[in-house]
Amino acid sequence: NAGVMQNPRHLVRRRGQEARLRCSPMKGHSHVYWYRQLPEEGLKFMVYLQKENIIDESGMPKERFSAEFPKEGPSILRIQQVVRGDSAAYFCASSPPGQYEQYFGPGTRLTVT
Amino acid sequence: TQLLEQSPQFLSIQEGENLTVYCNSSSVFSSLQWYRQEPGEGPVLLVTVVTGGEVKKLKRLTFQFGDARKDSSLHITAAQPGDTGLYLCAGNFGNEKLTFGTGTRLTIIP
Repeated sequence: NAGVMQNPRHLVRRRGQEARLRCSPMKGHSHVYWYRQLPEEGLKFMVYLQKENIIDESGMPKERFSAEFPKEGPSILRIQQVVRGDSAAYFCASSPPGQYEQYFGPGTRLTVT
Repeated sequence: TQLLEQSPQFLSIQEGENLTVYCNSSSVFSSLQWYRQEPGEGPVLLVTVVTGGEVKKLKRLTFQFGDARKDSSLHITAAQPGDTGLYLCAGNFGNEKLTFGTGTRLTIIP
């Protein structure tokens, strides 16, 4: 059973460009979470999605950030008009319904130049 | 806003020694997970505890959940260099999102 997959592992964007981060959950997992880890800081929750629904986006910045988890395909975290402060490691986690455990992917390291 | 405090922040000990790291919260956890994170990788789940007073063992690692479900500890017996890493506790507080502690960075010296 493959683990949570994220791509790309590394992404470099210039200020003002768009960044698209992809996450494929573990097989059988219908819940997806996105977390951000800023340099020298802990992991912070961003958004929780189920198929075609955003359940909790209380950790998402109000502007430029969006997330989706379509019926088919991976979950996408989209950052528009990136700024240097968006440079961070972005982790996706998944869980099966009704369980507390969240399993993390290897992360996407975004660098904004 | 729930806060998780982990202590110590850094710990460096000799191979073969025992150690304990702690995770404390001012709020009651619905559940608590311990993770280990290597540089450049995602957190790897070690254990989940749910019931107050629960003790779980994973080889040389012993996890304890406080009776009031507001604190937890991780004890490692006979530490080995392979135990080196960042240990994170993370809790649910009545919803699905995890709140993470700042971590304990453990170094085992051969």
